[in-house]
Amino acid sequence: GQQVMQIPQYQHVQEGEDFTTYCNSSTTLSNIQWYKQRPGGHPVFLIQLVKSGEVKKQKRLTFQFGEAKKNSSLHITATQTTDVGTYFCAGRLTFGQGTILTVHP
Amino acid sequence: NAGVTQTPKFQVLKTGQSMTLQCAQDMNHEYMSWYRQDPGMGLRLIHYSVGAGITDQGEVPNGYNVSRSTTEDFPLRLLSAAPSQTSVYFCASSNKGTDRFMNTEAFFGQGTRLTVV
Repeated sequence: GQQVMQIPQYQHVQEGEDFTTYCNSSTTLSNIQWYKQRPGGHPVFLIQLVKSGEVKKQKRLTFQFGEAKKNSSLHITATQTTDVGTYFCAGRLTFGQGTILTVHP
Repeated sequence: NAGVTQTPKFQVLKTGQSMTLQCAQDMNHEYMSWYRQDPGMGLRLIHYSVGAGITDQGEVPNGYNVSRSTTEDFPLRLLSAAPSQTSVYFCASSNKGTDRFMNTEAFFGQGTRLTVV
C-alpha cells in the first residue's frame, strides 16, 4: 500500500533559524496535505497542494509539491517559538511519521 | 458547530476488557477514519470508512473493529484490550476530493488517551 515517509524525525533550531521538513511517497499522489499538531493537541490542517510543481506560501511557511507528485516539503523562514509542534504530511488518509520541531528562544 | 467529537478523553482499561471509543461528526462528511499515535510512529491508520455501510482496514487494524451505520457516527471497538493498544486515538472526518484518491482537509477530534494495564 501507499507509504509516506517524512524526514527528519526531530529538528531543534534556535529562534530565527530556518526549518525544512521533507515528505516522500512510494506512489504518485493526487494531492498532499500538511498538518500541524501543537504539543498535547490534535492535528490541524495547514494546506493542500494538488498540482505538479505547485508552490504555496502562508506568511513564513512555504509548501512545495514535487514535479512527479511523489514528494513535498515545508519550509519555515525565521522560526518563532509559536512554530513549536509536530508537522505531518498526508496523502489520502495516510500520514507521514511527522517532524517534531523544537525552537529554542 | 461541534465538528468532530470524541469520547471519552481518557480511559484506563485492564487487559482483556473491551470498550468502544465514540466518534461523531456534524459536518456531513463522507470519510471518517481512526488513527493511533505513538511516540516516533506518527499517525497510523487503523480503519476508515468512505460512507455509511462501508468500512475498510488501514495499516494497523488487528484488535479493532468498526462499523458505520450512519454518516455521523464511527465507533471504534477494542475487542480484548492489550497493553500494546496503549496509545492516543484520533478520529478524523473529511470529504472526498475531485477524484477517488483524494480527500479534502481532515478535521480531527480532541483525541482519546487510552492506557491498558
